[in-house]
Amino acid sequence: AQSVTQLGSHVSVSEGALVLLRCNYSSSVPPYLFWYVQYPNQGLQLLLKYTSAATLVKGINGFEAEFKKSETSFHLTKPSAHMSDAAEYFCAVSGPAGGTSYGKLTFGQGTILTVHP
Amino acid sequence: DSGVTQTPKHLITATGQRVTLRCSPRSGDLSVYWYQQSLDQGLQFLIQYYNGEERAKGNILERFSAQQFPDLHSELNLSSLELGDSALYFCASSPVGGRNEQYFGPGTRLTVT
Repeated sequence: AQSVTQLGSHVSVSEGALVLLRCNYSSSVPPYLFWYVQYPNQGLQLLLKYTSAATLVKGINGFEAEFKKSETSFHLTKPSAHMSDAAEYFCAVSGPAGGTSYGKLTFGQGTILTVHP
Repeated sequence: DSGVTQTPKHLITATGQRVTLRCSPRSGDLSVYWYQQSLDQGLQFLIQYYNGEERAKGNILERFSAQQFPDLHSELNLSSLELGDSALYFCASSPVGGRNEQYFGPGTRLTVT
């Protein structure tokens, strides 16, 4: 079984400050990992994905994440927060292609990011 | 805009009723997934279809069913509705040959009164 833990249900930063959203996963097989963003009253938008290529993954809107197998982590970062980054962020895991856990995404509980002026 | 469409956007109905939610995947995508998002359960995978066939099942109640049609659109049927079924229901699709990256529709907000 796979699971995702997002540390901190709420994170608050000042505009221009570093954004760090934490995600740890549990998987018995090499996982595929994803970060999604959800703005109020909208669907989920894919920010970035890790699929066993480069461990440092760059996504949209200046976000990036680093896969660390030894720490079973996939933390999301952005060097400088912008007001428009305020949203809820979800980390998700699935198994690799061909495995029984491929297909469905297992999501963390989400982290609400607040950006102060 | 992800390219995944869902209708209706909002649905208000009474307990005991039955509703149908509709989803059209992105052009070329063969897989369709349904998820439920609620405050207490978070985002939960319900079911996956691939090219018309059920591929995987998650925490889907027996009162719920889904299907994918030859034109690849999918419908999620919810029956004998209970207050606890009130939630956001998302559909997602993924590209053939991808790495399971899923593109989500805007969702259908179901309110059961």
